[in-house]
Amino acid sequence: AQTVTQSQPEMSVQEAETVTLSCTYDTSESDYYLFWYKQPPSRQMILVIRQEAYKQQNATENRFSVNFQKAAKSFSLKISDSQLGDAAMYFCAYRSPPLNRDDKIIFGKGTRLHILP
Amino acid sequence: DAGVIQSPRHEVTEMGQEVTLRCKPISGHDYLFWYRQTMMRGLELLIYFNNNVPIDDSGMPEDRFSAKMPNASFSTLKIQPSEPRDSAVYFCASSWGTGKYAQYFGPGTRLTVL
Repeated sequence: AQTVTQSQPEMSVQEAETVTLSCTYDTSESDYYLFWYKQPPSRQMILVIRQEAYKQQNATENRFSVNFQKAAKSFSLKISDSQLGDAAMYFCAYRSPPLNRDDKIIFGKGTRLHILP
Repeated sequence: DAGVIQSPRHEVTEMGQEVTLRCKPISGHDYLFWYRQTMMRGLELLIYFNNNVPIDDSGMPEDRFSAKMPNASFSTLKIQPSEPRDSAVYFCASSWGTGKYAQYFGPGTRLTVL
């Protein structure tokens, strides 16, 4: 069964600095999808960025980028120029390939990110 | 476009009562998911539907929980009878297709069972 591990329960970063959140996963599939979700205090789960495993190029969305290391099964999220509004719980998630019978998203336990002014 | 809509946003009930949570997915999405989030267990998938048909309900904790999707624009999660350990935030999410298509979450329902 697939698993997703976020080894950092909490992290802090100074405003305007860069922070990297770690995520590792385990799967026997070669084609799959990875996501980072953000959950601010409002509780709303917001999609931050996605990565398709067959793409070597790392995904980027404005200040958010990933470092996808397929062989190492690692999928870290880098937040550049951290802002107070980035304070939230961040979840890493894995989704099975299309047409897989077990088409679920597996979520990690989350990393709570604090932004220090 | 409206996102996923859930109601109620907050529910407080007494042990033994029936609770019904409601969800309206994003129009056109063919997958619908129900999750439960607690501090202890994190985010757990309870059940998901594809084209209104339940595909996997292995996450439903016990027979007190049931979910239905009578049409493409409405789903319910029912707990009967409710227990204090059911207190959690319940999320509904929907997506279009599988694989690379992300799930879009509703705002959640915070359930408190006294």
